[in-house]
Amino acid sequence: GAVVSQHPSWVICKSGTSVKIECRSLDFQATTMFWYRQFPKQSLMLMATSNEGSKATYEQGVEKDKFLINHASLTLSTLTVTSAHPEDSSFYICSARPRTGYAGANVLTFGAGSRLTVL
Amino acid sequence: KNEVEQSPQNLTAQEGEFITINCSYSVGISALHWLQQHPGGGIVSLFMLSSGKKKHGRLIATINIQEKHSSLHITASHPRDSAVYICAVGGNYGGATNKLIFGTGTLLAVQP
Repeated sequence: GAVVSQHPSWVICKSGTSVKIECRSLDFQATTMFWYRQFPKQSLMLMATSNEGSKATYEQGVEKDKFLINHASLTLSTLTVTSAHPEDSSFYICSARPRTGYAGANVLTFGAGSRLTVL
Repeated sequence: KNEVEQSPQNLTAQEGEFITINCSYSVGISALHWLQQHPGGGIVSLFMLSSGKKKHGRLIATINIQEKHSSLHITASHPRDSAVYICAVGGNYGGATNKLIFGTGTLLAVQP
């Protein structure tokens, strides 16, 4: 089955530093990946849609200069939280959809998530 | 009012009980997803459905498109079913295709 690997699973950093989170589709090619953020006891909120080879589409209220998304290949998307501050502390999770033609093309597979704590 | 509403928010059951979690939505959808999130945060996709009913092991998901309502049933519940169950609807929202709108989740605790 489709597997999405997300790394790191947790990270603690100092305020002002940048943190990169990777999302990899291990056994399928994903033209589209999604990045979500989840605050404690709240539901997931879509941050942006990452399309391979083009610019990400950000949701309203999400700062594109703060949350840099790069989808340079069909198996890797990265989210970089730049100049992180304590309010950026959250659980970040990605999901990927296989490209059309793959057996599980309609299945959305999630990574295990990355818990970011900014001190 | 949220576009995706789930009930109940919290549910405690005894092992072996039949469990139902409900999801109502107010937007047009191309598909509805049921997801399971364990305490560590990882999310597993349980079902994606756009009509009728699907069954996988002890889990059953139904959807009524006309009533904009879906239910997730767990038969013979077990403590390992304890998790947050999330309903999400997918469609073309705000010009974005395949965007998901999530419910707030139902926290299920199955006691032995």
